[in-house]
Amino acid sequence: AQKVTQAQTEISVVEKEDVTLDCVYETRDTTYYLFWYKQPPSGELVFLIRRNSFDEQNEISGRYSWNFQKSTSSFNFTITASQVVDSAVYFCALSEYDKLIFGTGTRLQVFP
Amino acid sequence: GAGVSQSPSNKVTEKGKDVELRCDPISGHTALYWYRQRLGQGLEFLIYFQGNSAPDKSGLPSDRFSAERTGESVSTLTIQRTQQEDSAVYLCASSLGGFSSNEQFFGPGTRLTVL
Repeated sequence: AQKVTQAQTEISVVEKEDVTLDCVYETRDTTYYLFWYKQPPSGELVFLIRRNSFDEQNEISGRYSWNFQKSTSSFNFTITASQVVDSAVYFCALSEYDKLIFGTGTRLQVFP
Repeated sequence: GAGVSQSPSNKVTEKGKDVELRCDPISGHTALYWYRQRLGQGLEFLIYFQGNSAPDKSGLPSDRFSAERTGESVSTLTIQRTQQEDSAVYLCASSLGGFSSNEQFFGPGTRLTVL
């Protein structure tokens, strides 16, 4: 069965620190998609990135970067020079045909 | 343009009562999803609509839960005879197509509290 594991329940950092959020997934599909979503205190999920299983290139978007490694079934998310506005719950998700399977989320708190 | 909207934003009900939660997807989005998020948990898939048909209802937890969709528009999630365990945030999402490779756009959710 498809499964997403985010082992880090909560992470606290001080502003400007770098932080990596881990995501490990399980799937028998050869073609699949991985996602990261951000859920700020307001509650509305915000899409951050989609990655397909054939593209293992790392991606960087501003302070955000993602490391996808099929060999370890991981899709980790790094925030460089964290800011208070990055405080949120971050969810990793895996596609399963017509729906997304979400991990339990990692709560990131960035203190000034 | 307008995003996904949900109403009500908060609903408090008594155990045993029925509730209806509404979702208005982004115009033009053919796929619509309902998820449930219990306190401190991830999102659990409930049901998926493609147009007004529901090819995947596998996540509905019991026959007290049902949903319908009118055309490629509004969807209503109904919970009958609510139980305290139904307390959660119910999130709706829509996307351009029915494949999970498409980005899903989420609404703000309805927080349901069953007393």
